[in-house]
Amino acid sequence: GAGVSQSPSNKVTEKGKDVELRCDPISGHTALYWYRQSLGQGLEFLIYFQGNSAPDKSGLPSDRFSAERTGGSVSTLTIQRTQQEDSAVYLCASSWGGPGGSSGEQFFGPGTRLTVL
Amino acid sequence: AQSVTQLDSHVSVSEGTPVLLRCNYSSSYSPSLFWYVQHPNKGLQLLLKYTSAATLVKGINGFEAEFKKSETSFHLTKPSAHMSDAAEYFCVVSYISGSARQLTFGSGTQLTVLP
Repeated sequence: GAGVSQSPSNKVTEKGKDVELRCDPISGHTALYWYRQSLGQGLEFLIYFQGNSAPDKSGLPSDRFSAERTGGSVSTLTIQRTQQEDSAVYLCASSWGGPGGSSGEQFFGPGTRLTVL
Repeated sequence: AQSVTQLDSHVSVSEGTPVLLRCNYSSSYSPSLFWYVQHPNKGLQLLLKYTSAATLVKGINGFEAEFKKSETSFHLTKPSAHMSDAAEYFCVVSYISGSARQLTFGSGTQLTVLP
């Protein structure tokens, strides 16, 4: 019973470089979420995928952020031209599905700690 | 609009004494509520959830929470703290936004357990 996995666990990059963060959700989960957790802050919603529907991108902080989900499974969050304020822990979560069949419980990965120098 | 307020950013207790982490919520309809725990350098783990069944919810590791609609509260308690309980705790409300189940997180309460 594998949980949600994320890679890399830590990423250090230089300002202006692009980074890609990967998330492998729990098998069978149709919903996938990305969050950002900055130091001392709660979780900030970034983007949501549900099955083959168009993603909810309402939480993305700028057009430098994008995400895709291939084949309804693995997701990649891409940050272009990274800035120091992008430094945070990026968390991925998955769940059973949309509002009809779930209480909303999400299963979280261990996160990727991004440091932009 | 849905929101949660965690009333204490830091709570410190002695080992063996009770734990109380306070949470108030705001929701336009009957909410689903959760408590998650985050240990250092670990992912978020679900402690317990309320989904309109019993108002007293029991979770893992001896934690429980009581849903009080009249007070719009969902406080987390444990009768006797253990050193391993030291972590950050998040109160969370779930709501429907379009086609999605979204979560709104509180700002977190850092629990310190003193020997």
